[in-house]
Amino acid sequence: GEDVEQSLFLSVREGDSSVINCTYTDSSSTYLYWYKQEPGAGLQLLTYIFSNMDMKQDQRLTVLLNKKDKHLSLRIADTQTGDSAIYFCAGGGDDKIIFGKGTRLHILP
Amino acid sequence: EAGVTQFPSHSVIEKGQTVTLRCDPISGHDNLYWYRRVMGKEIKFLLHFVKESKQDESGMPNNRFLAERTGGTYSTLKVQPAELEDSGVYFCASSPDRNYGYTFGSGTRLTVV
Repeated sequence: GEDVEQSLFLSVREGDSSVINCTYTDSSSTYLYWYKQEPGAGLQLLTYIFSNMDMKQDQRLTVLLNKKDKHLSLRIADTQTGDSAIYFCAGGGDDKIIFGKGTRLHILP
Repeated sequence: EAGVTQFPSHSVIEKGQTVTLRCDPISGHDNLYWYRRVMGKEIKFLLHFVKESKQDESGMPNNRFLAERTGGTYSTLKVQPAELEDSGVYFCASSPDRNYGYTFGSGTRLTVV
């Protein structure tokens, strides 16, 4: 069945770049999303990329998509303490969205 | 604009009881989704409304779950009778159309004891 996989934890020093990786199995996904969840909050949509794109940049965020390998990554430049959260990768098409389990980003001082 | 609102934020009920969760989507969003996250697992899709109609309810686990969306506005998700495995966080999301991302609510944490 459809699956989205991502590592569960990532630790990065403040000021460094964070790279969160994700793989997906459903090649029919029209969109690939990155969501951020902070404690006590819902899943906040950070950015999304159309499946026919290979890169999207939005301020400190860069999304790279390798369609051949079904690999998606989220790079956060100059990581700040406020970036500490769980990041969900998700793929969608039609009316469904499949989430990964989430990567917990821990910021080291 | 106001976000997606879910009530209650937490609910603790005994096995066999009934619980009703509510979701108020962003005004004007025709699409409303229910998701569930069981501890340590993915956030699973439950069902999708377009206005008041159920577009896809393939993720509903069994007939103990009943979702409604009165007049195409807010939605309720009733669990009757609740079982221990129903514990988890129930998320609601809405979107204006399929070409836009989803806005999620903060979720309802349901604990069945």
